[in-house]
Amino acid sequence: GNSVTQMEGPVTLSEEAFLTINCTYTATGYPSLFWYVQYPGEGLQLLLKATKADDKGSNKGFEATYRKETTSFHLEKGSVQVSDSAVYFCALNPRDGNQFYFGTGTSLTVIP
Amino acid sequence: DAGVTQSPTHLIKTRGQHVTLRCSPISGHKSVSWYQQVLGQGPQFIFQYYEKEERGRGNFPDRFSARQFPNYSSELNVNALLLGDSALYLCASTSGLASYNEQFFGPGTRLTVL
Repeated sequence: GNSVTQMEGPVTLSEEAFLTINCTYTATGYPSLFWYVQYPGEGLQLLLKATKADDKGSNKGFEATYRKETTSFHLEKGSVQVSDSAVYFCALNPRDGNQFYFGTGTSLTVIP
Repeated sequence: DAGVTQSPTHLIKTRGQHVTLRCSPISGHKSVSWYQQVLGQGPQFIFQYYEKEERGRGNFPDRFSARQFPNYSSELNVNALLLGDSALYLCASTSGLASYNEQFFGPGTRLTVL
């Protein structure tokens, strides 16, 4: 089957710290992988995506690399800001369908 | 261009009642999906519609139903509401069915069942 496992939160970091949020997946076939972000009181927004193995998605200083051998898509940012405080969701879309499977989300709080 | 819009924003119902949620996709998008997001969890897939036909259904009871109209807007209906149906209901639209297409989410409808 298809599923996504994210590291549990909440995560609290100081401004300018390095961020890693782990995400591993199980999928039939070769899925596309996504990171979505949900700011307080708002809907989900696409942060970045990768559609095949070894692709690196990047946006707003965030990066994630599609690792087929380890079935992972870890989110990283070198220097977080207070404005990055949000809930981050890892998701996959299997090749054989258009249903997104989401992880449980990781809450990030960045303190000044 | 307007994004995905949903109405109403908030809704309070009592057990046993029925509710209808509405969604308008981004202009040009022909696919609409519905998700349920319980507090503290990730969104769970309920339905997908493409060109007015149901293309996928998640593991939800028959109390949940949906439809898509000729203008590609969509309604989600839930009958015989239970306390456990309290959640944020998200609508997402996409331009096509390829797996690399991102889904664009609306702000959601917060349903509270008392």
